[in-house]
Amino acid sequence: GNSVTQMEGPVTLSEEAFLTINCTYTATGYPSLFWYVQYPGEGLQLLLKATKADDKGSNKGFEATYRKETTSFHLEKGSVQVSDSAVYFCALRPHGSSNTGKLIFGQGTTLQVKP
Amino acid sequence: EAQVTQNPRYLITVTGKKLTVTCSQNMNHEYMSWYRQDPGLGLRQIYYSMNVEVTDKGDVPEGYKVSRKEKRNFPLILESPSPNQTSLYFCASSFGKRDGETQYFGPGTRLLVL
Repeated sequence: GNSVTQMEGPVTLSEEAFLTINCTYTATGYPSLFWYVQYPGEGLQLLLKATKADDKGSNKGFEATYRKETTSFHLEKGSVQVSDSAVYFCALRPHGSSNTGKLIFGQGTTLQVKP
Repeated sequence: EAQVTQNPRYLITVTGKKLTVTCSQNMNHEYMSWYRQDPGLGLRQIYYSMNVEVTDKGDVPEGYKVSRKEKRNFPLILESPSPNQTSLYFCASSFGKRDGETQYFGPGTRLLVL
C-alpha cells in the first residue's frame, strides 16, 4: 500500500543552521509529493510540491527534490530562522486509479529553532 | 479572502451527545475532505466528497457521518461521540483531485470527549 515515513522529531537547531528533514515513501507509479507546514495553533499550509521524478519544489527558502530511485522527498533549508519553528508533514497523493484525492501523511516532524 | 472555515474551534463534550462540526469554503471547490490528526499518526482521512451529494469513506470512517447538500459546506457529524474520537480535526478542499492539486486546510477543531 501507500505510505510515508518521516524522520522522528523533535529536531532542534540554532538559528542559521542547515535543515534536513528526511521523507521516504512507498507507492505504485508516480504519486504527487507535498510538504505541508503547521505553525502553532494553525491549520496546515502547503509549503511546496512536486509531481514527477526529478522535479524540485521550492518556497520560502525550502527545497525538496522528487527522487524516484530512492523514493525520497527530503526537505532542506540552508539557513533556518526562529520563525520556521513548526511541524512539517510530508504527504503523497497516489496517481491514476488509486487517486481518490486523499493525501497520505507522514507522522510529522517538529522543528524547534533557537536564537 | 479565499479560505476554509471550521466551527467550533474548540469543543468539550460528553460521551453519547451528538455534535456537528461545520466546514465551509468560499473557493467554489468541488472536492472536500475531513481528516483527523493524532500524535504519531499524522493525518488520516475520515470522509471525502467529490461534489454535491457524492460522499465516500476514507480510512477511518467509523463513528462519523457527513453530508454534502451544498457545494460550499461539508459538515462532520458525530452521532454518539466516544473518548477515542478525541482528536484534532481538519477540513480540506480543492478544485479536484488532479495530480499536484493543492488542498487547502481549515484552522482545525480540537475535540475532547469525556
